[in-house]
Amino acid sequence: EDQVTQSPEALRLQEGESSSLNCSYTVSGLRGLFWYRQDPGKGPEFLFTLYSAGEEKEKERLKATLTKKESFLHITAPKPEDSATYLCAVRSGSGGSNYKLTFGKGTLLTVNP
Amino acid sequence: SAVISQKPSRDICQRGTSLTIQCQVDSQVTMMFWYRQQPGQSLTLIATANQGSEATYESGFVIDKFPISRPNLTFSTLTVSNMSPEDSSIYLCSVVTGGPEDTQYFGPGTRLTVL
Repeated sequence: EDQVTQSPEALRLQEGESSSLNCSYTVSGLRGLFWYRQDPGKGPEFLFTLYSAGEEKEKERLKATLTKKESFLHITAPKPEDSATYLCAVRSGSGGSNYKLTFGKGTLLTVNP
Repeated sequence: SAVISQKPSRDICQRGTSLTIQCQVDSQVTMMFWYRQQPGQSLTLIATANQGSEATYESGFVIDKFPISRPNLTFSTLTVSNMSPEDSSIYLCSVVTGGPEDTQYFGPGTRLTVL
């Protein structure tokens, strides 16, 4: 069974204070690791998909990296508008739906001005 | 990308009743899904909505409780039947638009409260 663990559960940063969020996973045949941002009362907003160890993707102040066991979402010089819950999910080659995403519980990021 | 809308955005229902949630996508998509997000829990896949055939349910979810329809490539409904307070949750429609990366997008969600 696929498992995803995100840490920390909550993170409070000052504006401009860079940090990283962690996503550890256990899957049988990774077919993609996904990062989403979720604001209160809204659905998850797609950020990145990573497919193989060593892959990196960037978008504005966010950079996602992937190893064989975990992914990091690095946030450089965050701003208050980066405050949200960040969700990590994996898609695997194991049974059930080929497109099933298994999610972690998320990291609630708060950036104070 | 895909623009997904859901109706209703929220509802408060009485125990024992049923609610049907609609999902509309602005373009034809290959795959449509329904997820549940309970307070403090991870997003969980309920079922895959198959166009023209019965939905495929994940372990722990059954058709009698969560009947799903998908009459075409842009629309699906999820019904939450015989509701109890434990069904209070956010229900999210999700789609895969195809292409080389099979990116998966989510709708805004329907917040359901059962009294």
